[in-house]
Amino acid sequence: GAVVSQHPSRVICKSGTSVKIECRSLDFQATTMFWYRQFPKQSLMLMATSNEGSKATYEQGVEKDKFLINHASLTLSTLTVTSAHPEDSSFYICSASITDRNQPQHFGDGTRLSIL
Amino acid sequence: TQLLEQSPQFLSIQEGENLTVYCNSSSVFSSLQWYRQEPGEGPVLLVTVVTGGEVKKLKRLTFQFGDARKDSSLHITAAQPGDTGLYLCAGGDTNAGKSTFGDGTTLTVKP
Repeated sequence: GAVVSQHPSRVICKSGTSVKIECRSLDFQATTMFWYRQFPKQSLMLMATSNEGSKATYEQGVEKDKFLINHASLTLSTLTVTSAHPEDSSFYICSASITDRNQPQHFGDGTRLSIL
Repeated sequence: TQLLEQSPQFLSIQEGENLTVYCNSSSVFSSLQWYRQEPGEGPVLLVTVVTGGEVKKLKRLTFQFGDARKDSSLHITAAQPGDTGLYLCAGGDTNAGKSTFGDGTTLTVKP
């Protein structure tokens, strides 16, 4: 089955630090990748849709200058949380899909971000 | 904006019991997925349904897509502690190129 690798799995850093999270599709080409944020015992909140070779589409209320997304190839998308603050602490999850009708999303294992 | 209402939000049952989780919307979806997520991990795809009225079985799990492709259900027979987790339904929107997720159902199966 389709495998998506997300790295790192956990980050603990000081306030003001910028953190980069990578999302890779290992055995398929992902024309579209999605970035989600998840709070404990809650569902996924879509932050942005990342399309290879074009600018990401951000959901309402998500600051594009705060959460920088780069989708440089068909197998890699990165999310950079710039100048992170404690309120940015959360579980961030990426997913990837082949742009085709009814193709499901395949998720990475998530990144637990803790800002001190 | 498409919305998916998932119920119940929390469910705690004894091992061996049966349960059903519902996913309802006023919108039509091109496909619907069910995922299971354990703490600290990403969601894992259980099934995709695409045809109205479709029923799929995965061991003790039975998934159904409504005739109008607006709702779905997940039925678990003889639940086991290993079924514990967060169950998420997601509706596919071909036009928007993204999925809408339900609020999730946290299932706890006690031994």
